[in-house]
Amino acid sequence: GQQVMQIPQYQHVQEGEDFTTYCNSSTTLSNIQWYKQRPGGHPVFLIQLVKSGEVKKQKRLTFQFGEAKKNSSLHITATQTTDVGTYFCAGRNDMRFGAGTRLTVKP
Amino acid sequence: DAGVTQSPTHLIKTRGQQVTLRCSPKSGHDTVSWYQQALGQGPQFIFQYYEEEERQRGNFPDRFSGHQFPNYSSELNVNALLLGDSALYLCASSLVRANLDTGELFFGEGSRLTVL
Repeated sequence: GQQVMQIPQYQHVQEGEDFTTYCNSSTTLSNIQWYKQRPGGHPVFLIQLVKSGEVKKQKRLTFQFGEAKKNSSLHITATQTTDVGTYFCAGRNDMRFGAGTRLTVKP
Repeated sequence: DAGVTQSPTHLIKTRGQQVTLRCSPKSGHDTVSWYQQALGQGPQFIFQYYEEEERQRGNFPDRFSGHQFPNYSSELNVNALLLGDSALYLCASSLVRANLDTGELFFGEGSRLTVL
């Protein structure tokens, strides 16, 4: 079945630094979604990517979907303490989530 | 507009017991998916219900079963509890369009199960 791998598992940055998390699938994805889970909270939808090579931006967040639709990335520019949490990608084909990248930000 | 609601929020059971968790989807949604999230891990897909039937299933044993009611609410049942079943159980609702469920998942706050 489809495997969705995420790296890195953890990332600790100084406030103001950039952050990137990567998601890789063993099979082609029809679409990919990104979620954010704050500590003690539940996953909250951020965005969905559908088209090959698609790039979407939400303020300081940039999401990319690879040309082969097997990988995706989330980049945060100039992190803030409010960005703290775990970021998950999810292949919507079969509902599977990656293990997530836990981001901590030092003020 | 009520979001996804789950009950109970916390519960403690002992090995071998059975548990039932409940979920009401977001208003207007017709599809409910259940996930198990162990501490520090990503959500693991258990199954999804649509039109009162199990539509997809993840890699979970038959001890995990579910049901969806005509009002779209859902239950997750786990029999013969094991220590390893301790986790946060998340319910997510979505809306099927053109027989495809590819939209945003709205998650509830979860039910935290501890098995002693």
